[in-house]
Amino acid sequence: DQQVKQNSPSLSVQEGRISILNCDYTNSMFDYFLWYKKYPAEGPTFLISISSIKDKNEDGRFTVFLNKSAKHLSLHIVPSQPGDSAVYFCAASNGGSQGNLIFGKGTKLSVKP
Amino acid sequence: EAGVTQFPSHSVIEKGQTVTLRCDPISGHDNLYWYRRVMGKEIKFLLHFVKESKQDESGMPNNRFLAERTGGTYSTLKVQPAELEDSGVYFCASSNTGANVLTFGAGSRLTVL
Repeated sequence: DQQVKQNSPSLSVQEGRISILNCDYTNSMFDYFLWYKKYPAEGPTFLISISSIKDKNEDGRFTVFLNKSAKHLSLHIVPSQPGDSAVYFCAASNGGSQGNLIFGKGTKLSVKP
Repeated sequence: EAGVTQFPSHSVIEKGQTVTLRCDPISGHDNLYWYRRVMGKEIKFLLHFVKESKQDESGMPNNRFLAERTGGTYSTLKVQPAELEDSGVYFCASSNTGANVLTFGAGSRLTVL
């Protein structure tokens, strides 16, 4: 049973527009959430994270929103660039299992020029 | 600073053979993790070392998988004997003590024929 779900396997966006990637989770014990970006033949690269005590974290073009009551988080990329084309993984952990990240299946983002 | 290094990048073996994957974490990182991604699925946790000790091996699929981290530096993951369902990409990651963010290697792709 998946604890972290990314229900959209792919997303296509025009360059300059906003990309919104969604993630849902089932375990209310999760207290830290991360987004990783993965290019082909490379390992996942950390992008941005958020603690469960916050509802928003922003870093440049990337913003993560957390809605704990809905057990939902989203990653906003604005403006989207062709170099953002990659697979984005949502991951979650609880403080008692440091490093044991639970990942979603990923969403492949394509940003078209 | 060198990143997480994994070897080999790709291994093709026949069912029943043995394969050993190696991971060199970032120097000074006490935490070392193994994850696996089967094609199209989520990235799944296998196990977690703190220095040379296994902190959590709850994700190891079965006793055909053996992970070691002698001396608390590099780690090996041996699959013996390999089965078809072991095919996938094996990622290693490392982190500092107390860190929630993991740095991943590029992965070792295992193909079992």
